[in-house]
Amino acid sequence: TQLLEQSPQFLSIQEGENLTVYCNSSSVFSSLQWYRQEPGEGPVLLVTVVTGGEVKKLKRLTFQFGDARKDSSLHITAAQPGDTGLYLCAGLNSNSGYALNFGKGTSLLVTP
Amino acid sequence: GAVVSQHPSWVICKSGTSVKIECRSLDFQATTMFWYRQFPKQSLMLMATSNEGSKATYEQGVEKDKFLINHASLTLSTLTVTSAHPEDSSFYICSARLLQGTTGELFFGEGSRLTVL
Repeated sequence: TQLLEQSPQFLSIQEGENLTVYCNSSSVFSSLQWYRQEPGEGPVLLVTVVTGGEVKKLKRLTFQFGDARKDSSLHITAAQPGDTGLYLCAGLNSNSGYALNFGKGTSLLVTP
Repeated sequence: GAVVSQHPSWVICKSGTSVKIECRSLDFQATTMFWYRQFPKQSLMLMATSNEGSKATYEQGVEKDKFLINHASLTLSTLTVTSAHPEDSSFYICSARLLQGTTGELFFGEGSRLTVL
């Protein structure tokens, strides 16, 4: 089973602070994806990282894929209340028709 | 972009009744759709892979007789929760892959919240 571990599970910070969320696995993934989910809605894709060592930026969000393609991180600079949500990393599961296996998620709360 | 729609968005039912949730790919054909379940403050857990024209493949621990999946067309998959009980109350989310194969992006529905009284 290809398991993805995320940390921290919960994070509460003030507006303007920086934060990093980690996604780790013992398995190698051909790609990893990061999603953000609002309460009562489906997850929305933020980014897909494919190449080991790859770094992608999406405004204040920076995503990195580990060199060995087993881990990834999401860094948010100067967090804003609008960043509040559940952040999920996910990798393709070759044993289940290439469905996505999700990490447990990081619930982020940014207070003004 | 590709759109996946679920219906209903939320449903409340009495214990013992059956509830059907629909998942439609609105502007593309999907030979494979996936059903997930999400409990409060938890991540998405894959329940089953729905294959058009064939039987669904269920993950370990998911009762196939309780969660009936039908994928009768390339744009519609349904999940029926039979004889629902309060512990089945959850957020059910479907997803569909835009392209054949493994590299196509997965698009998610808006989710369906089931509350069993």
